[in-house]
Amino acid sequence: DGGITQSPKYLFRKEGQNVTLSCEQNLNHDAMYWYRQDPGQGLRLIYYSQIVNDFQKGDIAEGYSVSREKKESFPLTVTSAQKNPTAFYLCASSIKGASYEQYFGPGTRLTVT
Amino acid sequence: AQKITQTQPGMFVQEKEAVTLDCTYDTSDQSYGLFWYKQPSSGEMIFLIYQGSYDEQNATEGRYSLNFQKARKSANLVISASQLGDSAMYFCAMRDTGFQKLVFGTGTRLLVSP
Repeated sequence: DGGITQSPKYLFRKEGQNVTLSCEQNLNHDAMYWYRQDPGQGLRLIYYSQIVNDFQKGDIAEGYSVSREKKESFPLTVTSAQKNPTAFYLCASSIKGASYEQYFGPGTRLTVT
Repeated sequence: AQKITQTQPGMFVQEKEAVTLDCTYDTSDQSYGLFWYKQPSSGEMIFLIYQGSYDEQNATEGRYSLNFQKARKSANLVISASQLGDSAMYFCAMRDTGFQKLVFGTGTRLLVSP
């Protein structure tokens, strides 16, 4: 079955540690995205990539980093510079083009204490 | 800048009734797309329906229809014959042809009662 996988579902880290969230897709989509969701809010874009080895900052990129070495994979690193990293993180992918919907993974809930 | 506004934090509906979830948008672009997603308590986002800015007819997908009023910049989601499984958060989103990202509203929590 085609889809997007994110692991793990729940992640706990101590403050000051970097943590990498995994996102893999087998939909053969060119574009991939990372969003952050806080309670009572909509999704906000962190980073997106339209092609391998290329990515752009979204609205809230500070304290985050990404890589896109393979078409299928778009890992997100939450660095210690991110002031408030506890949130729900969603990865998505799509065919390039404004009329195509984004497919989302199940999300990773990160808690930093 | 693009903006999506969902003014209803929560909505209640009885099973089998229809419900309308409001969405207004703001953009200076002529070409754009509007999306609705459902987010159950499990957290994943489920695509429901899409409307292109040049589409002359309102989009429909099963029990979901999109009431698109371009002049008023509104794209309301209508769910007919509500089911208990429709209880979830619903997000309106927009994307234009210049960018690949989606801009989301703050969502509406729908609760369907028996």
